[in-house]
Amino acid sequence: SQTIHQWPATLVQPVGSPLSLECTVEGTSNPNLYWYRQAAGRGLQLLFYSVGIGQISSEVPQNLSASRPQDRQFILSSKKLLLSDSGFYLCAWGLGPKYTQYFGPGTRLTVL
Amino acid sequence: SQELEQSPQSLIVQEGKNLTINCTSSKTLYGLYWYKQKYGEGLIFLMMLQKGGEEKSHEKITAKLDEKKQQSSLHITASQPSHAGIYLCGADRLDTGNQFYFGTGTSLTVIP
Repeated sequence: SQTIHQWPATLVQPVGSPLSLECTVEGTSNPNLYWYRQAAGRGLQLLFYSVGIGQISSEVPQNLSASRPQDRQFILSSKKLLLSDSGFYLCAWGLGPKYTQYFGPGTRLTVL
Repeated sequence: SQELEQSPQSLIVQEGKNLTINCTSSKTLYGLYWYKQKYGEGLIFLMMLQKGGEEKSHEKITAKLDEKKQQSSLHITASQPSHAGIYLCGADRLDTGNQFYFGTGTSLTVIP
């Protein structure tokens, strides 16, 4: 069966510090991978998606970036965090655009 | 503008009561998904609807997609505290391929 992992579960970082959130998927090959953010009081927002290694599409211009160094690894990064980066970050995988997406447990990021 | 509007935004019901959450799209829906998010946790997939008029049930939760495929409703019968959380509808965005977008969310509180 497929499993998706995210870490860390919670993170408190100062403004201006770097960020690295990791997501890994087990039990499937060549999945589509997604990063979402849920800011307080708002719906989910798609940040990045990837259809393969090294292929990243960005949905929202921001100071975040994503990378996919391996087939089942998706990383969300920032060089300098802003207060507005606080939120709940979810990684998801799916077999393709028409398929159900399965979500990881999420990372709660607080930028102080 | 938001493409998927959910109503109500929040709902507080007494245990045992029935309730309905609506999801309305400004465009034709080709795949409509319902998810539940427990506070601070990842999303749980509930159901997917594709055909106009389709109805699916899982335990005490029933979801329908109307004939015109622009609105879906989620109905919970005899609500329980375990039903509490945020309910999100989601849809494929065929015009841009891989994208998937979510509704505004409905926060459900069930009072014992």
